[in-house]
Parts: sequence; C-alpha cells; structure tokens
Amino acid sequence: RKEVEQDPGPFNVPEGATVAFNCTYSNSASQSFFWYRQDCRKEPKLLMSVYSSGNEDGRFTAQLNRASQYISLLIRDSKLSDSATYLCVVNIALKAAGNKLTFGGGTRVLVKP
Amino acid sequence: NAGVTQTPKFQVLKTGQSMTLQCAQDMNHEYMSWYRQDPGMGLRLIHYSVGAGITDQGEVPNGYNVSRSTTEDFPLRLLSAAPSQTSVYFCASKSAGLYEQYFGPGTRLTVT
Repeated sequence: RKEVEQDPGPFNVPEGATVAFNCTYSNSASQSFFWYRQDCRKEPKLLMSVYSSGNEDGRFTAQLNRASQYISLLIRDSKLSDSATYLCVVNIALKAAGNKLTFGGGTRVLVKP
Repeated sequence: NAGVTQTPKFQVLKTGQSMTLQCAQDMNHEYMSWYRQDPGMGLRLIHYSVGAGITDQGEVPNGYNVSRSTTEDFPLRLLSAAPSQTSVYFCASKSAGLYEQYFGPGTRLTVT
C-alpha cells in the first residue's frame, strides 16, 4: 500500500462549480500535511498547509481527519486557472534530524468553460 | 533572488554514461533534496542533506550519489545511467524548522 494515495482523476469541473477530493495516508505518525499545486511541466509549489481545525485560503478549503487518516481539498467557484495537478504531501519526523516529506501521485483537475 | 536553479533543463544519455545534475539555491537554506517524478508515482526522494557535509539516502538512492560541500550547491551524480532512470528530476530546498519546500524547475532526463 502506498504511504500517500490520491485519486489521479482527472476531475472535469465546469467553471464556477465546486470540486473536492481527498488524500489518504497510512502512517499514523504523520505530523503535518500540505497541498502543493503543480502545473503541467512545471515544478510543484506550496498551495496551503492543512491544520487540524481546517483552514481556508480564499476559494480553497483544506480539512484533516486524523481518525480516518485523510485530508481533503475543496475548491469553490472554480476558475480556468485552477486547472492543475494537486499533490498531497505528508510530513514525518526523521530519527536523526529533519523531516521526510512523502508525496502522493497527484489529482488532476481540469476546469472547463 | 533566483531561488532554486537546476541545470541542464533537458538531457539525453546513453546507457552506461555518467553525468551530474546541478542544483543551486541562494536562499541560505539548510535542507536540500533531490526527487524524481514518474507518471503515477508521485515525487520520490532520492537523497537529501540537512547541511553542508551531511547527506543521507532517501527512498530510491540506488544508482545516484550526492555531495554537499557548500550550503548553496547539491549536485546529483548518475554513476552509470540506465533506462529506468528516465524521469523528471527536481531539486528542492527549505529552511530548517519550516516545512515549505522550494523546488527548482526540473531536469528532464531520458536514458536510451
């Protein structure tokens, strides 16, 4: 079983609609969680961190469910520019120093006019 | 600031050749990492470094070497290229105590 799993999609979303997707993680010692955005043939960039209480950043809402070991991302009022692959990232503290970030395979979102 | 830079952007190698992928950052970040990205696999950690002179293996280190002689540079060496190493390689850096990683633009490597 992969440590971090995502539905690869694509999620085809009409412009202006809401889309939501989840990411499950297997290691209960996971400490922190993030969503990164990756445009086609570009590098990943941090979209938002995911806090235990849930958090919003404009049209984006992230939630964490530790009991069921998943995080979610919801995009409201989708824009054409939201078309991208969204990577779920889970952080685990390493024994010696630093942290290990484990990436999911990504969920592709296509927003269409 | 240039952020994280990587060279080359594209590279084609023949099986058995060796080469070095360059990575540099100008943000004075302690942590640097190399990932490879393959379709459907997500980014997988190859090697990482928590500071100059300190490196460690990630999830998929075989066939790759790294060194960290300065804070700024973290080159990745392919010792004897194999077709299985065809991938997109990303270098990343971050500051100690913070979680956000900054990625370079990537190197697209094809091994024939």
